[in-house]
Amino acid sequence: AQSVTQLGSHVSVSEGALVLLRCNYSSSVPPYLFWYVQYPNQGLQLLLKYTTGATLVKGINGFEAEFKKSETSFHLTKPSAHMSDAAEYFCAVTRNSGNTPLVFGKGTRLSVIA
Amino acid sequence: GAVVSQHPSWVICKSGTSVKIECRSLDFQATTMFWYRQFPKQSLMLMATSNEGSKATYEQGVEKDKFLINHASLTLSTLTVTSAHPEDSSFYICSALAGLGNEQFFGPGTRLTVL
Repeated sequence: AQSVTQLGSHVSVSEGALVLLRCNYSSSVPPYLFWYVQYPNQGLQLLLKYTTGATLVKGINGFEAEFKKSETSFHLTKPSAHMSDAAEYFCAVTRNSGNTPLVFGKGTRLSVIA
Repeated sequence: GAVVSQHPSWVICKSGTSVKIECRSLDFQATTMFWYRQFPKQSLMLMATSNEGSKATYEQGVEKDKFLINHASLTLSTLTVTSAHPEDSSFYICSALAGLGNEQFFGPGTRLTVL
């Protein structure tokens, strides 16, 4: 079975400050890992994903995440927060084969303070 | 990029009525689609896996007779909430699996409110 734990249901940062959203996963097989962003009353937008290869993954809007197998982590970072980054962020995991669904973390709400 | 649409985007219905939600992959074929449910301020919970031309696979605790799923073509899956009740009010999101890499593309969601 696979699972995702997102530490911190709510993170608040000042505009221009570093954004760090934590995600730890559990998987008995090599995982595919994803970060999604959700704005109010909207669907999910893919920020970035890790499948194979380079462990530092760059995504849209200046976000990046690093896959650390030894720590079973896939934390999301952004050097400088913008007001427009305020949203709900979901980490998700799936198997690396087959048509399997995503397993989502509980989400982290990011607030950006002016 | 791959685009998934949902219709309607929001619906209000009376208790006891049935509501159909459509999920379409607009520019790709999807043999597999997923239906998720999201309660306010909570995460997405998988309801069922929809495979084109076969019966859907439901997650434990999801009533298959209440949430009817039909995946009749490679670009369309429908979720029908039968005899809806207020506790069925939620945000329903579909996703479609495209190509390699097991990447899912999500629809914009449908907000269902049952009065």
